[in-house]
Amino acid sequence: EAQVTQNPRYLITVTGKKLTVTCSQNMNHEYMSWYRQDPGLGLRQIYYSMNVEVTDKGDVPEGYKVSRKEKRNFPLILESPSPNQTSLYFCASSLAGLSGNTIYFGEGSWLTVV
Amino acid sequence: ILNVEQSPQSLHVQEGDSTNFTCSFPSSNFYALHWYRWETAKSPEALFVMTLNGDEKKKGRISATLNTKEGYSYLYIKGSQPEDSATYLCASSNAGKSTFGDGTTLTVKP
Repeated sequence: EAQVTQNPRYLITVTGKKLTVTCSQNMNHEYMSWYRQDPGLGLRQIYYSMNVEVTDKGDVPEGYKVSRKEKRNFPLILESPSPNQTSLYFCASSLAGLSGNTIYFGEGSWLTVV
Repeated sequence: ILNVEQSPQSLHVQEGDSTNFTCSFPSSNFYALHWYRWETAKSPEALFVMTLNGDEKKKGRISATLNTKEGYSYLYIKGSQPEDSATYLCASSNAGKSTFGDGTTLTVKP
């Protein structure tokens, strides 16, 4: 089954404790992206990757890092999480960029930083 | 940052009503316009991707139109059903960056 898989789905962590949210897709997609969703603010793009070893900032990259060492995986790294990073995070992928291509979302990761 | 606006913010209709909502986006440097359906506790599901001015797409009772010159897209639902209740998101994108509107939340009453 074609899917985008995120882990963990739910996490409560403490301020400053590094964490990684993994994202994996099994569709051989070149493009992957991370979003966060906050009440009243809609979905905002954090980082995206057009292909292996190519990553770019979205609209809200501060406090996050990503890597794209292989096509199927695009982990989101919070080096020193802070309470304002409490949010619902979505990973997404598409065949090749966003022009005319359907984007597939993962199920979301609820992250709480206390 | 591309500014994408959706209206109305929420909409309540009776089963069987037809409805439509709007997505406005900057027309300069347009690349693609996406519509998604997002149900509570689920992930957004892609409905349409449109790139050409005048594009019309249809999936069952849902259709969408695109006007890139004036920067708007309409989403239409014909004969709304309770299962159509969801938040409908649009996003304007270039090849890699995408900006979402805040969505229109549709509630269809039986």
